[in-house]
Amino acid sequence: EAQVTQNPRYLITVTGKKLTVTCSQNMNHEYMSWYRQDPGLGLRQIYYSMNVEVTDKGDVPEGYKVSRKEKRNFPLILESPSPNQTSLYFCASSPSLWGEQFFGPGTRLTVL
Amino acid sequence: GQNIDQPTEMTATEGAIVQINCTYQTSGFNGLFWYQQHAGEAPTFLSYNVLDGLEEKGRFSSFLSRSKGYSYLLLKELQMKDSASYLCAVMVSNYQLIWGAGTKLIIKP
Repeated sequence: EAQVTQNPRYLITVTGKKLTVTCSQNMNHEYMSWYRQDPGLGLRQIYYSMNVEVTDKGDVPEGYKVSRKEKRNFPLILESPSPNQTSLYFCASSPSLWGEQFFGPGTRLTVL
Repeated sequence: GQNIDQPTEMTATEGAIVQINCTYQTSGFNGLFWYQQHAGEAPTFLSYNVLDGLEEKGRFSSFLSRSKGYSYLLLKELQMKDSASYLCAVMVSNYQLIWGAGTKLIIKP
């Protein structure tokens, strides 16, 4: 089944404890993105990648890191999480820049 | 700065037609997307417009006017399952996607 998977789906952590949210797609898509979604603010793009080893900052990259070493994986790293990073996170992939984006199921992160 | 505006909430009746507007002011334009998001779920793709005009896809149509920085999503023959948030997003000059805050559509019987 063609899909985007994210892990974990739910995570409660404490300030300063490094964490990684994994994202993987099995559709051989070039373009991948990370978003956060907060009430009243909609989706905000954190980072995006147009291909392996190519990543760019989105709207709100501060406090986040990404890597794209393989086409299928695009992990999101929070080196030192803070409470203002409590949010719902979505990973997405698309076959091209102008194509339909397929979203993962989301990761609900709470930083205490 | 970059700005995308959509109404926060709209209400419509089952079987009717509703138009959800989106206006944008962005640095560059590489196309406009509409997505649907049911509560507690991930967004799903509805349409992509890069040229002016109307694109029809079943009960849903999307219109774009680049000169006016304006788009709308038209939903016909509304069904209860159309109750969702509708998200407008613009791909700007560096291929970043800028999203509106979304319009929550409530369908009443």
